[in-house]
Amino acid sequence: GDSVTQMEGPVTLSEEAFLTINCTYTATGYPSLFWYVQYPGEGLQLLLKATKADDKGSNKGFEATYRKETTSFHLEKGSVQVSDSAVYFCALLTGANNLFFGTGTRLTVIP
Amino acid sequence: DGGITQSPKYLFRKEGQNVTLSCEQNLNHDAMYWYRQDPGQGLRLIYYSQIVNDFQKGDIAEGYSVSREKKESFPLTVTSAQKNPTAFYLCASQTHHSQGRYGYTFGSGTRLTVV
Repeated sequence: GDSVTQMEGPVTLSEEAFLTINCTYTATGYPSLFWYVQYPGEGLQLLLKATKADDKGSNKGFEATYRKETTSFHLEKGSVQVSDSAVYFCALLTGANNLFFGTGTRLTVIP
Repeated sequence: DGGITQSPKYLFRKEGQNVTLSCEQNLNHDAMYWYRQDPGQGLRLIYYSQIVNDFQKGDIAEGYSVSREKKESFPLTVTSAQKNPTAFYLCASQTHHSQGRYGYTFGSGTRLTVV
């Protein structure tokens, strides 16, 4: 069945470090892929998305490229800030409009 | 501004009591969803509704009930049959016309604690 496998955390980085959070997926058909971010005590906010192979989603300095050949959608940021500390969820949306989430990766950025 | 409103933000319930969590959206979205979030376990789907007066069980529906009498509203009742109800509950919605472009829109969540 459809599923998302996400890098386990927690991840702790110093400010201005490079971030990668791995995400791979299993799906039939042509899913859309998303990264959501959850700040403490809040709901999920859409961070970026890609709807077809080779699309690159980007927002707030974060990027992820939809790689069909490796079934991956890794999240990257060149220089993290303390304000990026949050939990990040990779998600897959099937053609039937069902959203499957990874387990989430907690990122802590220290000054 | 359009969005999803969940209330209350914090809720305390005594064991054996039913409690209802509110979710309202003014986005004119067709589909609505309820998820449960536990520490370290990501999100699990409880119930979803694609249209008014219709809803389907998700992966962990036991001990929960929902209704969808209006497009804007999708309340979740946590019944006394739910063995471990303490969790963070998230409501989400989506339009059928997004063609996968937008994913879901989430509310800010309700934290339920059984005391």
